Amino acid sequence: EAAVTQSPRSKVAVTGGKVTLSCHQTNNHDYMYWYRQDTGHGLRLIHYSYVADSTEKGDIPDGYKASRPSQENFSLILELASLSQTAVYFCASSDTGSSAETLYFGSGTRLTVL
Amino acid sequence: GDQVEQSPSALSLHEGTSSALRCNFTTTTRSVQWFRQNSRGSLINLFYLASGTKENGRLKSAFDSKELYSTLHIRDAQLEDSGTYFCAAEAPNYNVLYFGSGTKLTVEP
Repeated sequence: EAAVTQSPRSKVAVTGGKVTLSCHQTNNHDYMYWYRQDTGHGLRLIHYSYVADSTEKGDIPDGYKASRPSQENFSLILELASLSQTAVYFCASSDTGSSAETLYFGSGTRLTVL
Repeated sequence: GDQVEQSPSALSLHEGTSSALRCNFTTTTRSVQWFRQNSRGSLINLFYLASGTKENGRLKSAFDSKELYSTLHIRDAQLEDSGTYFCAAEAPNYNVLYFGSGTKLTVEP
């Protein structure tokens, strides 16, 4: 069964600190995505990648970096965490990136920046 | 986001009743997906539509690309249907989905 696993499940970080969120997929999918969800809102795309060693900006990339060292792994990096980055972060994967493809989501990482 | 207007924001149903959720799109939308987020936060894909309607059990979704809206009908609601439902529209530029703000559905005995 397709699987996307995120770590950690939750994290508390201090303002100005560095945060790395990790995502691992066993779907053999080319495309991976990072979304954030704010309370009462839908998901917004931060970064995505369609091949290892390459990342693309999504809708709200400012304040975030992404890294795709292999097909299976996709990280989201907050170099200087800020209060406004408190949110739930979801990683997802898909096969071809076509809108016809189902997105497979991880369980989310709840990040609290204090 | 602004591209997708989802309603209602919250909905309460008794078991066995039916209702519909709606998403209006403010720009050309090539396709729509519907997701359910459960209490643990996991997102489950329910439907992908480029046009027309699809049905899966007690759920039925429709997408009208000309009138710029999509609906999700829930028939004979069950307790396990509770959760937050999101629609997501495919933006004109490739690989971006714009999500609605969600409908929190509570099904009561």
